[in-house]
Amino acid sequence: EVQLVESGGGLVQPGRSLRLSCAASGLTFDDYAMHWVRQTPGKGLEWLSGISYNSGSIGYADSVKGRFTISRDNAKNSLFLQMTSLRAEDTALYYCVKDMSTEWHDGPFHIWGQGTMVTVSS
Amino acid sequence: DIQMTQSPSSLSASVGDRVTITCRASQDISNYLAWFQQKPGKAPKSLIYAASSLQSGVPSKFSGSGSGTDFTLTISSLQPEDFATYYCQQYNVYPYTFGQGTKLEIK
Repeated sequence: EVQLVESGGGLVQPGRSLRLSCAASGLTFDDYAMHWVRQTPGKGLEWLSGISYNSGSIGYADSVKGRFTISRDNAKNSLFLQMTSLRAEDTALYYCVKDMSTEWHDGPFHIWGQGTMVTVSS
Repeated sequence: DIQMTQSPSSLSASVGDRVTITCRASQDISNYLAWFQQKPGKAPKSLIYAASSLQSGVPSKFSGSGSGTDFTLTISSLQPEDFATYYCQQYNVYPYTFGQGTKLEIK
């Protein structure tokens, strides 16, 4: 069974940084592209970033470009999201999502983790 | 960005009913359309991709159709476990975007 387990969320002050992790199991991790998606009651579901199977291609939503960095470690079956210059509007539940394809811009989303909550507040 | 508009935003139905949810894209997305189900406190679950392809393990009571800008998700013979919020998503054009959701409630 494929499992994605996010961690690293918490309460952080505006302007500070946070690094989210996603541990994958039950799949050949380096066969698939991965994504980060966040959810808030107000804005709903928002795609943030995608990374191809070998990290060769990466994409970001405009709302996080220049502030967030996606990366992966295939040897450790892990996906990461480094978040800097955090703002109150980044407060959300952050999901790690497995793609059905090798390239982040090709395939549909498939398996979602349970999410990790990030709260940006002073 | 492509806007995805779902209708209705909420829907009341009874066990055994058949319901249809509509999703409209602000521009042609071919068949790059997915549907997800989300229950309270849970992560979204993939139901359908490529507009009409059922994900492995998803019961055939769920079906999708459409192409271009207009899509539908149909759920037949509603059961208590089907009452949830449903989202559409386009993955044709970056950035990928989601509909606002349709909350399916028990009448």
